Amino acid sequence: AQSVTQLDSHVSVSEGTPVLLRCNYSSSYSPSLFWYVQHPNKGLQLLLKYTSAATLVKGINGFEAEFKKSETSFHLTKPSAHMSDAAEYFCVVVPSNTGKLIFGQGTTLQVKP
Amino acid sequence: DAMVIQNPRYQVTQFGKPVTLSCSQTLNHNVMYWYQQKSSQAPKLLFHYYDKDFNNEADTPDNFQSRRPNTSFCFLDIRSPGLGDAAMYLCATSYRVSQPQHFGDGTRLSIL
Repeated sequence: AQSVTQLDSHVSVSEGTPVLLRCNYSSSYSPSLFWYVQHPNKGLQLLLKYTSAATLVKGINGFEAEFKKSETSFHLTKPSAHMSDAAEYFCVVVPSNTGKLIFGQGTTLQVKP
Repeated sequence: DAMVIQNPRYQVTQFGKPVTLSCSQTLNHNVMYWYQQKSSQAPKLLFHYYDKDFNNEADTPDNFQSRRPNTSFCFLDIRSPGLGDAAMYLCATSYRVSQPQHFGDGTRLSIL
């Protein structure tokens, strides 16, 4: 069975401090893993993707994520939060046998001035 | 810029009155998807087209239908909207299934 668990429903950080959004996955097949961001009343924007190449993946807007197979994790990080990073973040696993996106529950990132 | 465009951005309809949402893409992608997203939830896949092949999710209500007349356009028809159908509807595209999907900004549907 395939599933994604985002360990925090809400994360609050101060502007300029690091961001960590946690994601664990379960997949019987070699998965692809994505992080998407959704700003209010907008669609989802792809931040970064892991597709069995380098385990440390760099994305847009200074975000990166590290694929750790032994821990079945794909946590999203950013060294310094910006006010514009406030949004909903979804971790997504895509099993190779179906190709369908399986979403985590989402994490709301709040950035305080 | 190549993109996925959804019209209208906001749609209000009456209980039981049919409504159609539209999506167009300039990416020339083979696959087009429709998702329903309710407040504070992740998107839920309703169905997708791979070229002209329609793929319905098992738990998508019969009330929801879709049409893809050509590569660029895809429509979501809700035959008799109920109050529970009020949601954001997202269209997405990808070159192939399993590749990253590109999303439109959605249509927020309200039911009176």
